[in-house]
Amino acid sequence: DAGVTQSPTHLIKTRGQQVTLRCSPISGHKSVSWYQQVLGQGPQFIFQYYEKEERGRGNFPDRFSARQFPNYSSELNVNALLLGDSALYLCASSPTPQGTGYGYTFGSGTRLTVV
Amino acid sequence: RKEVEQDPGPFNVPEGATVAFNCTYSNSASQSFFWYRQDCRKEPKLLMSVYSSGNEDGRFTAQLNRASQYISLLIRDSKLSDSATYLCVVYTGGGNKLTFGTGTQLKVEL
Repeated sequence: DAGVTQSPTHLIKTRGQQVTLRCSPISGHKSVSWYQQVLGQGPQFIFQYYEKEERGRGNFPDRFSARQFPNYSSELNVNALLLGDSALYLCASSPTPQGTGYGYTFGSGTRLTVV
Repeated sequence: RKEVEQDPGPFNVPEGATVAFNCTYSNSASQSFFWYRQDCRKEPKLLMSVYSSGNEDGRFTAQLNRASQYISLLIRDSKLSDSATYLCVVYTGGGNKLTFGTGTQLKVEL
């Protein structure tokens, strides 16, 4: 079974540019969440989508946006990149938003470097 | 106060030792609780869910005390391969989000 797949694995962008990160959840999982992890810290919640609707939003600026498609895959967009956006971006999928009993399965992430 | 607090460590222990990690959370409405393991520059992987009745998976035992808002993880007979960062994770329904602690680093040595 394919796990959570994310693309690209690595990305280098210049300040001010825009970036789109992609995530395909485990087959059958309808919930996708996005997290940002900077070095030395735990992942920080950005968004959760379930059944194509936004169900949660973390404390991130409006430069961050996301959407979920009918096949439950998801994209995270970040506009007007800042140096501080450099991080590992993780996508997690779960059968339900609560992850009860199953937890969340993470993809291997996209490492974004803003220069 | 952070929503989920953990001692960052590092915990340096000899092989075969028993080690315990603690975690506290601030939101009493939190619904689900997990321990994740993260190896250097890799994604977090679910170690175990945590239930009020306590649960065990081989050498790992997790406990949840809702009254004290406290979660623990006990690792018995530590192996070199247990060296990693252990993340305490709490799901809060109101925001539909997972909140992670900063992680506790474990180093198991010969």
